[in-house]
Parts: sequence; structure tokens; C-alpha cells
Amino acid sequence: GNSVTQMEGPVTLSEEAFLTINCTYTATGYPSLFWYVQYPGEGLQLLLKATKADDKGSNKGFEATYRKETTSFHLEKGSVQVSDSAVYFCALSISNFGNEKLTFGTGTRLTIIP
Amino acid sequence: DTGVSQDPRHKITKRGQNVTFRCDPISEHNRLYWYRQTLGQGPEFLTYFQNEAQLEKSRLLSDRFSAERPKGSFSTLEIQRTEQGDSAMYLCASRSRGPKETQYFGPGTRLLVL
Repeated sequence: GNSVTQMEGPVTLSEEAFLTINCTYTATGYPSLFWYVQYPGEGLQLLLKATKADDKGSNKGFEATYRKETTSFHLEKGSVQVSDSAVYFCALSISNFGNEKLTFGTGTRLTIIP
Repeated sequence: DTGVSQDPRHKITKRGQNVTFRCDPISEHNRLYWYRQTLGQGPEFLTYFQNEAQLEKSRLLSDRFSAERPKGSFSTLEIQRTEQGDSAMYLCASRSRGPKETQYFGPGTRLLVL
């Protein structure tokens, strides 16, 4: 089956630190890969995505590269801000007759301290 | 584009009662998904609609759960004879047709079964 393994949290960093959140996946077929973010009190929002191998998704200073050889999609940001504090979810989907249901990791809670 | 909306946002009920949740997707989206998220976990897929047709149900969706999308617009998720284990956040998402389109999530309905 399909699964996503995500770096366990919580992760606490100082402002302007470098961030990496690891994500690896197992999938039958060729998945699309996503990072969703959940800010306190809000719903899930798409942060970035990549739909094929070697694609790089980027948004708001975050980046992740689809690595087929290592089945990974690690999230990185060069300099985090307090406003980046949230829970981050790695996810995958595989198209199945139009049903692109998402399979999520368990989430990583990130706290940035000033 | 008003986004995906869900109602109610919070529901407290007693064990054995029935509850119904509503989801209004983004208006032009013909695909609709329900997910369940328990504390400390990522969302898990429950069911998928394409227009009014329910095309896939997860094994997580026991006989006490039923979902409908009668006119291919809004959807309802009903839980009969609620159990304490049903306590969770119920998330709705929608997307438009076409491969690799993004799923947009609503704010969720948080259910607490006493």
C-alpha cells in the first residue's frame, strides 16, 4: 500500500535558523507529493507540491524536491520566522480513475522562538 | 471563490446519538472528499464523490457512517449511534476535474462524543 513517514516532532528552532523536515514515502505507481500546513486554529492549506521526479516545489521560502531514487520529499527553509510556527504534513496521491485521495504522514509540529 | 465551508464547526454529543455534518465545496469543483483526523495524527481518507456518485469508501467507514452528495453540490456525513472512538476532526476537501489538481480543505468539524 501507500504510506508516508514523516520526521517526528515537535521541532523547536530559533528565528532565522535553517529548517529541514524529513519525509519519505512508499507508493505503488508514480505519486504526486505535497506539503500541507495547518496554522493554529485554521484548516489545512497547501504549501507546495511536485508531480514528477526531480520537480522542485516552492512557496513562501519553503522548498522540497521530489527524489525518486531515495523516495523522499524533504521540506527546507533557509531562515524561519515566528510566523512559520504550525503543523506540517507530508502527503502523496496517486491517480486512480479520477480519485486522487491523499495519504498523509503524522505531521510535524514546528515552533519558532524569537 | 469563497472556499470550502463546513457546518457545524464544533459538535458535542452523547454516545448513541446521531450526528450529521455538512460540507459545501468550491462551486465549480466536482470532486469531493471526506477525511478524519484524530489527535496527533494526519488526516485519513474516508470517502470520495465524483459529482453525486460515491465512488470509493474506506474500510474506516463502518456501517454506522453514511455520506451523500444528492445533487453533486453539498455533501453530508452522518454518523449513527456515535461512539467515543468517533471523536475526531472531520475534514472535507474538494478539487476540480483534471489530473494533479489541488485539493482544497475546509476548516473541519470537531466532534466530541461523551
